[in-house]
Amino acid sequence: ELKVEQNPLFLSMQEGKNYTIYCNYSTTSDRLYWYRQDPGKSLESLFVLLSNGAVKQEGRLMASLDTKARLSTLHITAAVHDLSATYFCAVETSGSRLTFGEGTQLTVNP
Amino acid sequence: SAVISQKPSRDICQRGTSLTIQCQVDSQVTMMFWYRQQPGQSLTLIATANQGSEATYESGFVIDKFPISRPNLTFSTLTVSNMSPEDSSIYLCSVCSVASSGRYEQYFGPGTRLTVT
Repeated sequence: ELKVEQNPLFLSMQEGKNYTIYCNYSTTSDRLYWYRQDPGKSLESLFVLLSNGAVKQEGRLMASLDTKARLSTLHITAAVHDLSATYFCAVETSGSRLTFGEGTQLTVNP
Repeated sequence: SAVISQKPSRDICQRGTSLTIQCQVDSQVTMMFWYRQQPGQSLTLIATANQGSEATYESGFVIDKFPISRPNLTFSTLTVSNMSPEDSSIYLCSVCSVASSGRYEQYFGPGTRLTVT
């Protein structure tokens, strides 16, 4: 059974600081997603990582994938309040099925 | 990218009743998925719905409780049957579609927030 573990589960940051969210998974996969969810809202796709060593950046967020270590990271640079949300990683397996991590609830304080 | 709509957006239902949730996509897609998000939890896949075949259910989910229809390539329904308070969740449909990058991605609908009293 595939397991996807995120840490930390809760993250409180000050504006302007940097931090990294980790996503570990237990089986081979070549496709990993990062999603953002605001309270009461659906999921917004942030990144799709397709291969080992993939790195993608959008604004203050950067995601990377190490398929050999079965690890993905979401790095936040100079956090701002608007980044406050819950972030999920999800690993794709056969049949395009997604297994989600527990989610990281990020709060950015002024 | 695909634009997905769901109906209803929310509902409050009495235990023992059933609710059918609709998912409409603005383009033809082969695979559609139904996920559940219990309060404060992550998402769990209920089933995969492919047009022209029976839905494939994940461990812990059964057709009698969550019957699914997929009559065409743009539409699917999920019914939550004989509801109990434990069924209170957000139900989301998702599809695989080609993004502007040329690669396929998975997109999620806005969700249906169900409360069972």
